[in-house]
Amino acid sequence: DAMVIQNPRYQVTQFGKPVTLSCSQTLNHNVMYWYQQKSSQAPKLLFHYYDKDFNNEADTPDNFQSRRPNTSFCFLDIRSPGLGDAAMYLCATSSGGSGTGELFFGEGSRLTVL
Amino acid sequence: ILNVEQSPQSLHVQEGDSTNFTCSFPSSNFYALHWYRWETAKSPEALFVMTLNGDEKKKGRISATLNTKEGYSYLYIKGSQPEDSATYLCALFNTGNQFYFGTGTSLTVIP
Repeated sequence: DAMVIQNPRYQVTQFGKPVTLSCSQTLNHNVMYWYQQKSSQAPKLLFHYYDKDFNNEADTPDNFQSRRPNTSFCFLDIRSPGLGDAAMYLCATSSGGSGTGELFFGEGSRLTVL
Repeated sequence: ILNVEQSPQSLHVQEGDSTNFTCSFPSSNFYALHWYRWETAKSPEALFVMTLNGDEKKKGRISATLNTKEGYSYLYIKGSQPEDSATYLCALFNTGNQFYFGTGTSLTVIP
């Protein structure tokens, strides 16, 4: 059974129309991550939560926001999607700490911007 | 932001061939290195978590080594099978609970 679930799997939006991607987990992990992956590029860390503590990467555009209302759920909001935001968005969780715990991923949400 | 590099970017091998790929990373402040396999239309899955210099780990026909002093890890696949076709990602963990990924090596095993 899937332990990290992302919705929707595919999202098509228009230029400038806000989008929300969701991620839920049944692992009770402390840490949740959002990555953006464009074709042939490395997954790029956007931000992560350690419990309720939000950690933004320095180069994550302000257009990207995140919410974690409880342990199980995390949302990625893209306020005004541009063509350059078309990508695969991956959510991952870990138990946190020393890096010895593996990441558990969802299947990703593929965003298309028209 | 830490720079993690993987090579080659893509690889085609014949069924039965053995192959290997490289992950390079900054050797200072090393904490952990992970390898993941990502099959098309699925989620990435962990292969190995490596923390100690000289670590060697094995899972079936797949193994990995780690050299933290020089900043590299190798992933080996012995006797490649078509089901090994996937993208193999490495990720470096740093003290801020951040994982930084390489671009991956896309492996295609030709029957």
